[in-house]
Amino acid sequence: DTAVSQTPKYLVTQMGNDKSIKCEQNLGHDTMYWYKQDSKKFLKIMFSYNNKELIINETVPNRFSPKSPDKAHLNLHINSLELGDSAVYFCASSRGQGLEEDFGPGTRLTVT
Amino acid sequence: RKEVEQDPGPFNVPEGATVAFNCTYSNSASQSFFWYRQDCRKEPKLLMSVYSSGNEDGRFTAQLNRASQYISLLIRDSKLSDSATYLCVVNAEGSYIPTFGRGTSLIVHP
Repeated sequence: DTAVSQTPKYLVTQMGNDKSIKCEQNLGHDTMYWYKQDSKKFLKIMFSYNNKELIINETVPNRFSPKSPDKAHLNLHINSLELGDSAVYFCASSRGQGLEEDFGPGTRLTVT
Repeated sequence: RKEVEQDPGPFNVPEGATVAFNCTYSNSASQSFFWYRQDCRKEPKLLMSVYSSGNEDGRFTAQLNRASQYISLLIRDSKLSDSATYLCVVNAEGSYIPTFGRGTSLIVHP
């Protein structure tokens, strides 16, 4: 199936740990994104990655770092997890800037 | 003023009703506009793009008003399955940072 996939779907971990979420798209898209959706359901972009150019939302703490081994993958690494990091994280991709996006199923992160 | 604003609702309507949502944006350089639908505990899915001349897809009609800086979504003949949160998305020219509204909740009841 052509899609955006994320692993894991659920992640429960303790404060202070380091974790990664993987994202892969087989749509041949050039741009990938990471979003955070908090408990109030507000969907906020964290990163945009296009042709090896990383655009960072300045409000994102530097504990969060995206890593792209190739055009089809954009993984999210989080250091020193905090309670406030608990949220659903969505990966997405698009053919290019300003175009419609396909979203992954989300990763529900719970930090205890 | 928030970059993209939506009435959170919920809009509670009976089946068969017509309902309209608006979404205002603050950046006059915005170039592309979309409506997404998000079901509970699911990912957002593209509902439709919004074109300058307005566009229709079945029961759904999207409009763009650049002068007043808002986009709208009209749903005719509402179905129970239309119950969801509707998110508007605005992209500024040359920006790789899409801005999502907080979403409008729609509940269609029998």
